[in-house]
Amino acid sequence: KNEVEQSPQNLTAQEGEFITINCSYSVGISALHWLQQHPGGGIVSLFMLSSGKKKHGRLIATINIQEKHSSLHITASHPRDSAVYICAVRSDRGSTLGRLYFGRGTQLTVWP
Amino acid sequence: GAVVSQHPSWVICKSGTSVKIECRSLDFQATTMFWYRQFPKQSLMLMATSNEGSKATYEQGVEKDKFLINHASLTLSTLTVTSAHPEDSSFYICSARIGGSYNSPLHFGNGTRLTVT
Repeated sequence: KNEVEQSPQNLTAQEGEFITINCSYSVGISALHWLQQHPGGGIVSLFMLSSGKKKHGRLIATINIQEKHSSLHITASHPRDSAVYICAVRSDRGSTLGRLYFGRGTQLTVWP
Repeated sequence: GAVVSQHPSWVICKSGTSVKIECRSLDFQATTMFWYRQFPKQSLMLMATSNEGSKATYEQGVEKDKFLINHASLTLSTLTVTSAHPEDSSFYICSARIGGSYNSPLHFGNGTRLTVT
């Protein structure tokens, strides 16, 4: 079982729709990252958070440490948001301290 | 913002040859760089952690003699795939960490798609 599970695996939306991608994890963490991987493969870090909520433009990331769950929301989605979104968590425990665990990613396609 | 440059973006090589991939931090010093491998539709898999001036730390199952990592300066780490075979065909991507804290921000290169024929 993967330490980080994302859902859904694939998501298709119409332009303007509100998008939610979920991430659940099973390890103790010091931080959680949301990453965006473009079709060419390059990865951009969207958020790093350890509690609460962060907002950047149309993107909002939330985390619930007690429930070991995070969500990435995209408001007013646009075709340029089409990408793979990856959740990654950084372990805070023992021999795995600092190690990053990655989810498999969510492929988002936004149609005009 | 911080930029990590990875080169080449794609490479095709013949079986048995070696391929070198470079990862440069352009506007910051990266004491630690990470090398990942990604198969289609799969998670990123950490291959090794590269620290400037010291030997890389390889993950279990990653052959250090096959995947040679050199981090000779604070701005450059290289991954050399030696005696490449078709099963080494994959997407390789590096990332660099600014600062020494585990929770420092991560910056990724654009990746290298390796095809071994």
